[in-house]
Amino acid sequence: GESVGLHLPTLSVQEGDNSIINCAYSNSASDYFIWYKQESGKGPQFIIDIRSNMDKRQGQRVTVLLNKTVKHLSLQIAATQPGDSAVYFCAENGLSSYDKVIFGPGTSLSVIP
Amino acid sequence: EAQVTQNPRYLITVTGKKLTVTCSQNMNHEYMSWYRQDPGLGLRQIYYSMNVEVTDKGDVPEGYKVSRKEKRNFPLILESPSPNQTSLYFCASSLKPLGQGFGYGYTFGSGTRLTVV
Repeated sequence: GESVGLHLPTLSVQEGDNSIINCAYSNSASDYFIWYKQESGKGPQFIIDIRSNMDKRQGQRVTVLLNKTVKHLSLQIAATQPGDSAVYFCAENGLSSYDKVIFGPGTSLSVIP
Repeated sequence: EAQVTQNPRYLITVTGKKLTVTCSQNMNHEYMSWYRQDPGLGLRQIYYSMNVEVTDKGDVPEGYKVSRKEKRNFPLILESPSPNQTSLYFCASSLKPLGQGFGYGYTFGSGTRLTVV
């Protein structure tokens, strides 16, 4: 069945270091992938997205990498800051049902000052 | 300020007592969706709507109803709440169908924490 999961449920990173959050997905038909950030007590916030015809996409301090061969998605955060502490979700969306989004269970990122 | 507004933020109710969680967005978005968030299960889609009067089931629609009579509002109705509906609920909206262009991921509300006793 379809699923979106994460390799590591928790991640602790020293402030200033780079963070890498990984995600595995099982639906090879997924066409669009999104990373969200959820801070405590708030709703998820859109970070960056990527389409299946791309390998990499960069935003401000964040980069998303997509490896369709092994169905793997990662979010890289450069120069991690305390404000980056949050739960990060990857999500996938398929062409056949463009509004149906499947979220992974999330990774908690803690930044050590 | 562009936002998705949910009310109430917190709600404790008893089994079987009908309730409605309201959701409103001021961004003229066509697409709206309801999710529930449970520990270890992540966010699961309950219902979504592609436009006024157009709604469809998500992954976990049982026990819920929705309506989309106006573009800006998308209320979630629990006709007869049960304890297994205790959860954190999020409403979300999007301008375009997801995947049609970049940066059109959902905008989420702040959540409604529902407890059914």
